[in-house]
Amino acid sequence: GENVEQHPSTLSVQEGDSAVIKCTYSDSASNYFPWYKQELGKRPQLIIDIRSNVGEKKDQRIAVTLNKTAKHFSLHITETQPEDSAVYFCAASRTYKYIFGTGTRLKVLA
Amino acid sequence: EAQVTQNPRYLITVTGKKLTVTCSQNMNHEYMSWYRQDPGLGLRQIYYSMNVEVTDKGDVPEGYKVSRKEKRNFPLILESPSPNQTSLYFCASSPQQGSGNTIYFGEGSWLTVV
Repeated sequence: GENVEQHPSTLSVQEGDSAVIKCTYSDSASNYFPWYKQELGKRPQLIIDIRSNVGEKKDQRIAVTLNKTAKHFSLHITETQPEDSAVYFCAASRTYKYIFGTGTRLKVLA
Repeated sequence: EAQVTQNPRYLITVTGKKLTVTCSQNMNHEYMSWYRQDPGLGLRQIYYSMNVEVTDKGDVPEGYKVSRKEKRNFPLILESPSPNQTSLYFCASSPQQGSGNTIYFGEGSWLTVV
């Protein structure tokens, strides 16, 4: 079946450094790629998304890039801050199905 | 306030005792779904509903049932819970079926089956 691979599973960076999380999807019909942030004990919340007709999208310190040919997309966080520490999930979607990655635990060290 | 509400938030139950986790949204969303979250496995879709009386299986439907009699409600039913259904469950809704619409998650329900 369809799946989404997400790497790395854990990531530690120094405050102020950049963090990159990568996802690869298998369903070539996927056309929507959201990223969710989940803080400890809380619900996942959308932080950025990208559609298949766009290669890159940026929102302040967060950016997402999409390579449809290679079927992978990445989350980039610049100038990381302690409050960026959380679990991040990518997802690939077409119509009504959302396939999530297994998550990346990001730790920003002060 | 726009929200997805789940109940109960925390539950410990025994094997075989039927239980229902309720989910309600006040955003008039057509699409609703249930996920379970387990360590190392991410979020896996259990069931989804595209509209009233329309439901379908997700990736891990075994041991679960759902119903969608009203647009706002989408309960998750465990007819005979087993320990492997111990998990964190999220209900979610979206304005309409189809990709490209933000999923709004409920606060989650921690379920332990002993």
